[in-house]
Amino acid sequence: QVQLVQSGAEVKKPGASVKVSCKTSGYIFTSYGVSWVRQAPGQGLEWMGWISPYNGNRNYAQKLQGRVTMTTDTSTATAYMELGSLRSDDTAVYYCARSAIFAPVNWFDPWGQGTLVTVSS
Amino acid sequence: QSVLTQPPSVSGAPGQRVTISCTGSSSNIGAGYDVHWYQQLPGTVPKLLIYGNNNRPSGVPDRFSGSMSGTSASLAITGLQVEDEADYYCQSYDSSLSGSVVFGGGTKLTVL
Repeated sequence: QVQLVQSGAEVKKPGASVKVSCKTSGYIFTSYGVSWVRQAPGQGLEWMGWISPYNGNRNYAQKLQGRVTMTTDTSTATAYMELGSLRSDDTAVYYCARSAIFAPVNWFDPWGQGTLVTVSS
Repeated sequence: QSVLTQPPSVSGAPGQRVTISCTGSSSNIGAGYDVHWYQQLPGTVPKLLIYGNNNRPSGVPDRFSGSMSGTSASLAITGLQVEDEADYYCQSYDSSLSGSVVFGGGTKLTVL
């Protein structure tokens, strides 16, 4: 079955960077895109960006431009999301989700289990 | 402030019908981009509930349905059950933000 398995929880200090991995299985990695979504404690869903493992195209949320970098490793069918210059309001659960291949216009399904990133001094 | 507007909360008694609205604009729902809905049970990962405006993934009961009208979409739940108590989110695509996915702020459904 299709699965997205994310790396474990992280605790970071303000100003640091965090890199979350999302290892996929059960489907052809280069036939779908990967989107990243985060959810702050008690808050709603916020889309962070999308990457196409097929051609490397990316689309980042304007709010995070310059701080977020999404990459993929097709040899291991793994997607990565790195967020830099961390602030306390970046504390959230970060999800990866399978999405459309050429643009993030479609639905997200399935989702990874989530990775809690806590930013605290 | 979410680009897609949802009511913060709705409620209903078991067996009743409730609807959750998702209001957008001419650059997202009104532009013809599809709306998708997710259900997030307490402490769990969001789950796809409706895709492409009114399609249910395998395993989703037909008590859940989606509809569209102009710049808005709606999720209807009939025969409300206690286990439907969750947060519900709508999602679409917006062409005005350099091409961006947008979510509604979420609606908390309480089954009385």
